[in-house]
Amino acid sequence: NAGVTQTPKFQVLKTGQSMTLQCAQDMNHNSMYWYRQDPGMGLRLIYYSASEGTTDKGEVPNGYNVSRLNKREFSLRLESAAPSQTSVYFCASSVDTVSQAFFGQGTRLTVV
Amino acid sequence: KQEVTQIPAALSVPEGENLVLNCSFTDSAIYNLQWFRQDPGKGLTSLLLIQSSQREQTSGRLNASLDKSSGRSTLYIAASQPGDSATYLCAVPSGSARQLTFGSGTQLTVLP
Repeated sequence: NAGVTQTPKFQVLKTGQSMTLQCAQDMNHNSMYWYRQDPGMGLRLIYYSASEGTTDKGEVPNGYNVSRLNKREFSLRLESAAPSQTSVYFCASSVDTVSQAFFGQGTRLTVV
Repeated sequence: KQEVTQIPAALSVPEGENLVLNCSFTDSAIYNLQWFRQDPGKGLTSLLLIQSSQREQTSGRLNASLDKSSGRSTLYIAASQPGDSATYLCAVPSGSARQLTFGSGTQLTVLP
């Protein structure tokens, strides 16, 4: 009964380092999303994949790239981390873009 | 652009009280509205999804109502318990990609 699984749960990066956040879902969902959550800013969409083979920018895509590896997996890459990318990152999935969304437990990222 | 507002930002009630959380949205052309719960340091858990054609949706002690014409939804929690303490967020699909737009949440504390 895994649902949406994110790795890692915590990460500290130095400015300029790169890393990839992994997300996998086992619900056979078509749509997957990456959000970031910041105090006072709420949840904001970074990128999404409406279906396997497609990806699109959300509200705050700058500094990020994504890959929809297959139907199950959707990764988020920070090529050159900046302190402004310190945040909690959530992956989510849904059957389609207007169905109930299921979230992972989050990745707490600190960039120093 | 869709905007979602939740008032109050925080609410503290004694155990056993019935309570109402409010959510308002600016664009009434919505597909549905979701209510989520977020515990500190955790991901979001979907509580209820209410379709635009519905007026109410119930799950246990939770009842969500939707009035599209006035741009409002309420989440009613009956007989509140300390375990209900969490942040409650509402969200609607919006934009060309129908990505979720979230309110900033209501932080609920139920006192024993």
